[in-house]
Amino acid sequence: AQKITQTQPGMFVQEKEAVTLDCTYDTSDPSYGLFWYKQPSSGEMIFLIYQGSYDQQNATEGRYSLNFQKARKSANLVISASQLGDSAMYFCAMREGGTSYGKLTFGQGTILTVHP
Amino acid sequence: EAQVTQNPRYLITVTGKKLTVTCSQNMNHEYMSWYRQDPGLGLRQIYYSMNVEVTDKGDVPEGYKVSRKEKRNFPLILESPSPNQTSLYFCASSLTGTGHNQPQHFGDGTRLSIL
Repeated sequence: AQKITQTQPGMFVQEKEAVTLDCTYDTSDPSYGLFWYKQPSSGEMIFLIYQGSYDQQNATEGRYSLNFQKARKSANLVISASQLGDSAMYFCAMREGGTSYGKLTFGQGTILTVHP
Repeated sequence: EAQVTQNPRYLITVTGKKLTVTCSQNMNHEYMSWYRQDPGLGLRQIYYSMNVEVTDKGDVPEGYKVSRKEKRNFPLILESPSPNQTSLYFCASSLTGTGHNQPQHFGDGTRLSIL
């Protein structure tokens, strides 16, 4: 079974608008972390934001925020005021605290295109 | 500057010719890992290392070897590369391998083509 599901292969957004990238996850481990990474066309993986399973508040990092709905097992990334430089592939990933030995499990990614 | 450095960035080689992709981190991280990225499959873990001299298989270890003789280095070895190992490879590290709250820091990737 897929542990991380990103159902949007591609998304388009107008510059300066907000966009939400969806991510659902599946785990029976009560301790886990959810991460979002950005991969520009140059290929590197850039860490954006982290949400812990016990965190009471949604994580925010500048223009990035994470809409964490634990009961629904969703961890959507919200990018506010999109910029042309936000065009990239975005990956949702999970790290379980039990016996995963530090492994990050990734979704298949969403390609975001920001239009001027 | 804190970073994970992979070399080479690009490599085209032929089936059966042994190759090594190096990875080095300067953050004194205990945990290091290798992933491969293939279209439609996201990133999958090949091998990981919890600390020096401690390595173990990830989800797709076949055809790969690793070693961790020093804390900072974690090379990936393809002893007899085959075309199905053509992929984008990432090395990553984090402070430890336990707990769930540590982001992994990635190298810039190595694009490997096996002809």
